Amino acid sequence: SAVISQKPSRDICQRGTSLTIQCQVDSQVTMMFWYRQQPGQSLTLIATANQGSEATYESGFVIDKFPISRPNLTFSTLTVSNMSPEDSSIYLCSASSKNTIYFGEGSWLTVV
Amino acid sequence: ELKVEQNPLFLSMQEGKNYTIYCNYSTTSDRLYWYRQDPGKSLESLFVLLSNGAVKQEGRLMASLDTKARLSTLHITAAVHDLSATYFCAVGRLVFGKGTKLTVNP
Repeated sequence: SAVISQKPSRDICQRGTSLTIQCQVDSQVTMMFWYRQQPGQSLTLIATANQGSEATYESGFVIDKFPISRPNLTFSTLTVSNMSPEDSSIYLCSASSKNTIYFGEGSWLTVV
Repeated sequence: ELKVEQNPLFLSMQEGKNYTIYCNYSTTSDRLYWYRQDPGKSLESLFVLLSNGAVKQEGRLMASLDTKARLSTLHITAAVHDLSATYFCAVGRLVFGKGTKLTVNP
């Protein structure tokens, strides 16, 4: 299995600021993904983080708001830009390894 | 557009009883996942089902997949309190169902 570490695990952010979430996988993986889970809701895919090229965003998510980097096969970052209270959510990094998709512990963001 | 429906969304059951959670999806997919999420925690992978007729079992949980019916089931046998959690199915590029919040009462 793949072990995925995310930082920060929690943060309280001021409206209008940006925060970058880091995701580290303990082995090289082809596919990495970023999800959002709003309180009491299911998970929504934000984007697929592509190594060496721009991320692929799902409908409703744009690069200006959620820039993503993937410099190598074990690491990715997600930035939540110009935050508003509606961005308060859990952001989850995931990676595909051996037919299973594993999730990090999540980054719990509260925007005040 | 792939849509995934789970039912029931809420399930309260007594210890020792059996029950089934259903996951229907709208378009053909070659794999289906089941996850467990405890309150305040991330997702734990339970099963990956890769082919029609696939059946996997772990403890009191058994998952099956019927790709022709576009249906997966998660069967709970003789429930215990420790199984209380939210269970999600996900299909394809991880389009998630809304989750089934399971509460097992003594």
